[in-house]
Amino acid sequence: AQRVTQPEKLLSVFKGAPVELKCNYSYSGSPELFWYVQYSRQRLQLLLRHISRESIKGFTADLNKGETSFHLKKPFAQEEDSAMYYCALRGSNTGNQFYFGTGTSLTVIP
Amino acid sequence: NAGVMQNPRHLVRRRGQEARLRCSPMKGHSHVYWYRQLPEEGLKFMVYLQKENIIDESGMPKERFSAEFPKEGPSILRIQQVVRGDSAAYFCASSRGSVYQPQHFGDGTRLSIL
Repeated sequence: AQRVTQPEKLLSVFKGAPVELKCNYSYSGSPELFWYVQYSRQRLQLLLRHISRESIKGFTADLNKGETSFHLKKPFAQEEDSAMYYCALRGSNTGNQFYFGTGTSLTVIP
Repeated sequence: NAGVMQNPRHLVRRRGQEARLRCSPMKGHSHVYWYRQLPEEGLKFMVYLQKENIIDESGMPKERFSAEFPKEGPSILRIQQVVRGDSAAYFCASSRGSVYQPQHFGDGTRLSIL
């Protein structure tokens, strides 16, 4: 069965420090992985998706099929990065539904 | 483009009443998805609809819950005879198509059952 695991519920880093939000998944086929972000009092919005191979707001994420991971990274955290981050999976045989992790709340300490 | 609009933002119901949650997709989007987020949990898929059709309702509880997306008007998630355990945030998302299209989310409706 498909599953997305975000092991850290809370993560605090100092401004300027590197940050990595972990995401592991379980899926037997070829998944499509996404990161969504929810800033305070705002709606959930797409941050990036693995097929785009892009960097958004300094964040990158690489799909590692061997480790079944899609960790989100940023070399230098900024205060405005403080938000809730959700990793999500969409599989080739799951229709169009997404499977979300439980989220990681990131706090960047000034 | 106003984005995905959900209303109401907050809904309070007493046990046994009905709750109706509305979702208007983004302009040009014909696919709608409903998710539920219970306290301390991630978003869980409930149902996927296209205009006038339910495509996948595998995440929907078998009783008391129903969803529709009529030809005209918003998508409606309906919960009959609500119970305390239905208290949650309900999110709607829409997409232009189904394949390789990202989903855009609304602000959610927070349902509280007294």
